[in-house]
Amino acid sequence: KAGVTQTPRYLIKTRGQQVTLSCSPISGHRSVSWYQQTPGQGLQFLFEYFSETQRNKGNFPGRFSGRQFSNSRSEMNVSTLELGDSALYLCASSQGLAGGAQETQYFGPGTRLLVL
Amino acid sequence: QQQVKQSPQSLIVQKGGIPIINCAYENTAFDYFPWYQQFPGKGPALLIAIRPDVSEKKEGRFTISFNKSAKQFSLHIMDSQPGDSATYFCAASMLEGGGNKLTFGTGTQLKVEL
Repeated sequence: KAGVTQTPRYLIKTRGQQVTLSCSPISGHRSVSWYQQTPGQGLQFLFEYFSETQRNKGNFPGRFSGRQFSNSRSEMNVSTLELGDSALYLCASSQGLAGGAQETQYFGPGTRLLVL
Repeated sequence: QQQVKQSPQSLIVQKGGIPIINCAYENTAFDYFPWYQQFPGKGPALLIAIRPDVSEKKEGRFTISFNKSAKQFSLHIMDSQPGDSATYFCAASMLEGGGNKLTFGTGTQLKVEL
């Protein structure tokens, strides 16, 4: 099975712009979670989507949003970019089984975003 | 507060040594504790995971020890090799909003020297 794929791998934007990142989960996985990784804050949970619905949200401003399509692919969008948004954005997929706290999340390679 | 505290921040051991990474949590609602390994330029990859009803789990050279009453768990890497040099993250998962949410520790940079 192919793993989680993320596009693009690298992105350079300027302050004030917006960006859309894409994630394709492992085939058959219905849950997609997004994380932001920075040297200072580590890995922080952004949100989780399951069956096109956001199930969970972390403590990020409304500039960070996402969506999931019927084929489970997901996108996240960051509007009005700030310098502090420079980070590695990771997507993880899991089957999304009911009561699945003990499910493994499989991570993609990430999209490295640099905001100038 | 949903936090997972991880130590040490960095660790250097000699080849064959047994690095130990420790994590502690507060929220008893966490019910799954995975460890992830991350190499530069890659996403985290699941290494080993444990449920709170188990005190120890071993997979190959990797062992998790879990102390439910102390709310602590640790990763031991037996016979460490230079190829084990990576960043290790402990995590804790809980059901929230119908889905699972991972809270990560701050990571430990491990270097295994020849």
